[in-house]
Amino acid sequence: EVQLVESGGGLVQPGGSLRLSCLASGFTFSTYNMNWVRQAPGKGLEWVSYITSSSTTTYYTDSVKGRFTISRDNAKNSLYLQMNSLRDEDTAVYYCARGVGARAFDYWGQGTLVTVSS
Amino acid sequence: QSALTQPASVSGSPGQSITISCTGTTSDVGAYNFVSWYQQPPGKAPKLMIYDVSNRPSGVSNRFSGSKSGNTASLTISGLQAEDEADYYCSSYTTSTTKVVFGGGTKLTVL
Repeated sequence: EVQLVESGGGLVQPGGSLRLSCLASGFTFSTYNMNWVRQAPGKGLEWVSYITSSSTTTYYTDSVKGRFTISRDNAKNSLYLQMNSLRDEDTAVYYCARGVGARAFDYWGQGTLVTVSS
Repeated sequence: QSALTQPASVSGSPGQSITISCTGTTSDVGAYNFVSWYQQPPGKAPKLMIYDVSNRPSGVSNRFSGSKSGNTASLTISGLQAEDEADYYCSSYTTSTTKVVFGGGTKLTVL
């Protein structure tokens, strides 16, 4: 059974940093592209970042470029999102999602809530 | 404002069929056959229902179908059931630096 379990969310002040983790199981993690997708409270879904299976290519939505960094450790079956210079508008539930190529997301974690507030 | 346009809400009675539209541009929906649909019940994570316009992942009911014409994609749910009540989101691969864009979501109410 495919499982994705996010952790690392919490309350952080504007300008602060947070590192999210996603532990994968039930599939060969090293062969799949991975993504982070977020959802602000009461709002819709927003794709955040993408990384290829071997970490050779990464993409980011414009609003997080230069502030967020996606990475992975295939030996640990883990995906990460380093978030710096956090803003109020980054407040959201962050989902880890397995990629269908670069175009869809076939399995999602339960999400971890990030709250940016003073 | 979302990149793709969906109706805010649709409703139908059990057993009926409903269709949710998703309108984009020549840079996303119209450019690729890479439209997906996700179902999100309240308080839960999204679930992939359709990918590549009309393909169903294993385990998804054949009551769910997808199609596309020009810059507009559609999700049809036939034989509506109470368990189908959820928010539905479309997404598309895009030529822009933002690789995937979502619609604003449609709340489906089963009357």
